[in-house]
Amino acid sequence: GAGVSQSPSNKVTEKGKDVELRCDPISGHTALYWYRQSLGQGLEFLIYFQGNSAPDKSGLPSDRFSAERTGGSVSTLTIQRTQQEDSAVYLCASSYDSSSYEQYFGPGTRLTVT
Amino acid sequence: GIQVEQSPPDLILQEGANSTLRCNFSDSVNNLQWFHQNPWGQLINLFYIPSGTKQNGRLSATTVATERYSLLYISSSQTTDSGVYFCAVTRSYGQNFVFGPGTRLSVLP
Repeated sequence: GAGVSQSPSNKVTEKGKDVELRCDPISGHTALYWYRQSLGQGLEFLIYFQGNSAPDKSGLPSDRFSAERTGGSVSTLTIQRTQQEDSAVYLCASSYDSSSYEQYFGPGTRLTVT
Repeated sequence: GIQVEQSPPDLILQEGANSTLRCNFSDSVNNLQWFHQNPWGQLINLFYIPSGTKQNGRLSATTVATERYSLLYISSSQTTDSGVYFCAVTRSYGQNFVFGPGTRLSVLP
């Protein structure tokens, strides 16, 4: 079946603008994760959604970052007033539920803030 | 929080050689996965292996949870094996992954 999809694949924006990144998890997966990978760095957790529970936002780096998940499926990560240090690849992953840990990753969105 | 280390940080192999990549973690884990990040940035699941041994073609992995390490074996390496190999762990159900820093593998023809 279809894997995790993300859009756009690339986004270039000017400093100070807002951006929205989209993630479509694998159908039927109830858990959804956002991660960020800065150039040459490892992956950093941002936020986690599980079903209808309150999201775990402990990894969000500042209040400029927010995310929502509508209808338990598609998720949008919003970055307000973008800064150059926000430039990174933003990766989304999903898993079947919180007891089935295997996570599947999307192709990522490469964000460049100029 | 849990710490994850990987070694070696960089590895250069001649095509056809074998290699072993190591992942150490500082606390008990309920999930461990190995990923290959290809040159295009895609993370590809290799193994879901919180314990025990699994094999898939030229790749195999072993996790010894009681001793807090996992090994990834690559045999008869090919140039397409090049990329970064990440180990990632979670401590309990549904928690986010903590990733290791990765091992960058270059396989030369």
